Amino acid sequence: SQKIEQNSEALNIQEGKTATLTCNYTNYSPAYLQWYRQDPGRGPVFLLLIRENEKEKRKERLKVTFDTTLKQSLFHITASQPADSATYLCALGDSGYSTLTFGKGTMLLVSP
Amino acid sequence: NAGVMQNPRHLVRRRGQEARLRCSPMKGHSHVYWYRQLPEEGLKFMVYLQKENIIDESGMPKERFSAEFPKEGPSILRIQQVVRGDSAAYFCASSPTGESSGNTIYFGEGSWLTVV
Repeated sequence: SQKIEQNSEALNIQEGKTATLTCNYTNYSPAYLQWYRQDPGRGPVFLLLIRENEKEKRKERLKVTFDTTLKQSLFHITASQPADSATYLCALGDSGYSTLTFGKGTMLLVSP
Repeated sequence: NAGVMQNPRHLVRRRGQEARLRCSPMKGHSHVYWYRQLPEEGLKFMVYLQKENIIDESGMPKERFSAEFPKEGPSILRIQQVVRGDSAAYFCASSPTGESSGNTIYFGEGSWLTVV
């Protein structure tokens, strides 16, 4: 069955450093992958989308890579700030209409 | 430009009662999705609707759960005879067209159901 794995342990880093979060998947060939941010008690907020034929996407301090051979996506936040502290969700989708399959998310804690 | 609106934000029901969760999609969006997030679990797809049509309900439990998106008014997720295991956050999302490669869906803030 399809499986998406995100590190269940919280990632603790210092302000100013680069945070790197990992999303691995098995038994799946997604057409695209999305990253969301979720704060406690709030809904997920879309951050970035990367398609299967793209290797890397950037948006301001965010960078996403997508390696379909390794079946892995890396999500980077450069120059991290305490305000970046949240849970980050990875979600995969198929081509055409599809529903998203989400990982459980990784909590990021950025300390000043 | 209001986002996806869900209400109630918090709902407490006793076992056996009914829960009705409402979702108004973003303006101009005609596609609605419901996801459920159990404690310590990821978001799980439940159902995908367009106006007056259920497109995909593969994630809906077979019993007690139903969803609709009428021609007028919000989408409703209805849970009959709630049990403690139904306690979760229910998120609605919407998109302007069918969710597909490159299409972003926008989530509401969720409805937190607690069954006592």
